[in-house]
Amino acid sequence: EDQVTQSPEALRLQEGESSSLNCSYTVSGLRGLFWYRQDPGKGPEFLFTLYSAGEEKEKERLKATLTKKESFLHITAPKPEDSATYLCAVHDSWGKLQFGAGTQVVVTP
Amino acid sequence: GAVVSQHPSWVICKSGTSVKIECRSLDFQATTMFWYRQFPKQSLMLMATSNEGSKATYEQGVEKDKFLINHASLTLSTLTVTSAHPEDSSFYICSALALTGQGVSTDTQYFGPGTRLTVL
Repeated sequence: EDQVTQSPEALRLQEGESSSLNCSYTVSGLRGLFWYRQDPGKGPEFLFTLYSAGEEKEKERLKATLTKKESFLHITAPKPEDSATYLCAVHDSWGKLQFGAGTQVVVTP
Repeated sequence: GAVVSQHPSWVICKSGTSVKIECRSLDFQATTMFWYRQFPKQSLMLMATSNEGSKATYEQGVEKDKFLINHASLTLSTLTVTSAHPEDSSFYICSALALTGQGVSTDTQYFGPGTRLTVL
């Protein structure tokens, strides 16, 4: 059964305190792992797509990496504006996006 | 690029009335559009998948007669919540997959900003 698990559920960081979010997945034949950012009351905003183990992508303070079983979203020197819920998703066997429950990140000044 | 809009952004209606929500891809044509529902503190739940000119495919447990989906063009899909009741109150989000050849990833679902529905 396809499954996506994110940890931790919530993360509270001081501004400048780097950390990582985890997304572990089980899917038959990965067709893409996606990271989105969602602010309260808004739709998810696309961040990255990763397709194969070893792939890495960066955008400002965010860096996403992928292994055969999990993906990490590294937040380097976060700022308060990085506060959001970060969602991980994979294409399941039916070609639909299966989301994890998300990690809520709060960055305090 | 890859902007998806939704209208309205929020709506309040009386129980028993119908509400239509529009989802538009503004700068690309979409092969497929998706409708999700999200409850507070929960992740997105797929309701249905729609392709232009075809009937929508609904997920198990989603009433097709209650949530009517029309995908009339490559840039517009609508969700109509018929005879809405308070339990239909939720955050509805659409997403779109781009056609090839538009300089936009065809693997990535681009999401709209969502519509908050409150049924009194």
